[in-house]
Amino acid sequence: KAGVTQTPRYLIKTRGQQVTLSCSPISGHRSVSWYQQTPGQGLQFLFEYFSETQRNKGNFPGRFSGRQFSNSRSEMNVSTLELGDSALYLCASSLRPEQTGNTIYFGEGSWLTVV
Amino acid sequence: KNQVEQSPQSLIILEGKNCTLQCNYTVSPFSNLRWYKQDTGRGPVSLTIMTFSENTKSNGRYTATLDADTKQSSLHITASQLSDSASYICVVSYPRGSTLGRLYFGRGTQLTVWP
Repeated sequence: KAGVTQTPRYLIKTRGQQVTLSCSPISGHRSVSWYQQTPGQGLQFLFEYFSETQRNKGNFPGRFSGRQFSNSRSEMNVSTLELGDSALYLCASSLRPEQTGNTIYFGEGSWLTVV
Repeated sequence: KNQVEQSPQSLIILEGKNCTLQCNYTVSPFSNLRWYKQDTGRGPVSLTIMTFSENTKSNGRYTATLDADTKQSSLHITASQLSDSASYICVVSYPRGSTLGRLYFGRGTQLTVWP
C-alpha cells in the first residue's frame, strides 16, 4: 500500500511569506503528527492530530498551525516566514496516537528554504 | 537539556565490522523506546520498538537493548554494510493518557561505513 505522501517535496519562500504543506497518511491511519528537523536541533515535535482534533502541540510559536480533514489528510501552515524556519518538515502517520506503541511511518518530508 | 542523548555523534567503521550506538534518556515514565534509521534526504524508517518491560528486540542485523533501570538503550549493528550508512535516531515517548503524550527524539548518530 502507498506510504505517507508529502507535498511539495522542495520549496523556496521569502521572508514574510506563508507556506502550506500537505500530508496524506497511509490508508486507514487516523493519527498524523508533524515534525521539524534541522541540523542543529534534530527532530522537534510540532503537533499531532487524531480524528480531526489536535491532541498535542509542541513548543512552537503561533505562526505554526495545522489541521486535519475528515479523510485524515493533514496540512500545516507557517505564516510570516523567518530564515530560521528553513528545515525539513516531516509528517508521520499511525493507526492510533503514537504513545500506544504503534509503528509510526514517516513521509519523505518537505524541504523548505526561506531566503 | 535534551531528554534523549545519543552517542557518539558520528562514527566511521569499515564494512563487515560491528558497532554499537548508545542512547541515554531522562524521560520518565516512558511508554516505549524506538530506533529509527534515516538515510540522507529521506524520512526515518522504524527499526525496533521496545516497551519498558522488554530487554532486547532484533530486526535482522539490528539488535536493540534496553535497561529501564539505568535509562539506557543501545543499537548493535552486526556485519555492517555500505547501505547502513545513515543517521540512527533514538526516540522515547510518554505513556498513553499523559497530556504530554508526544515523541522525544535524540539528535542521532551519523554512521558511515567505508568499503
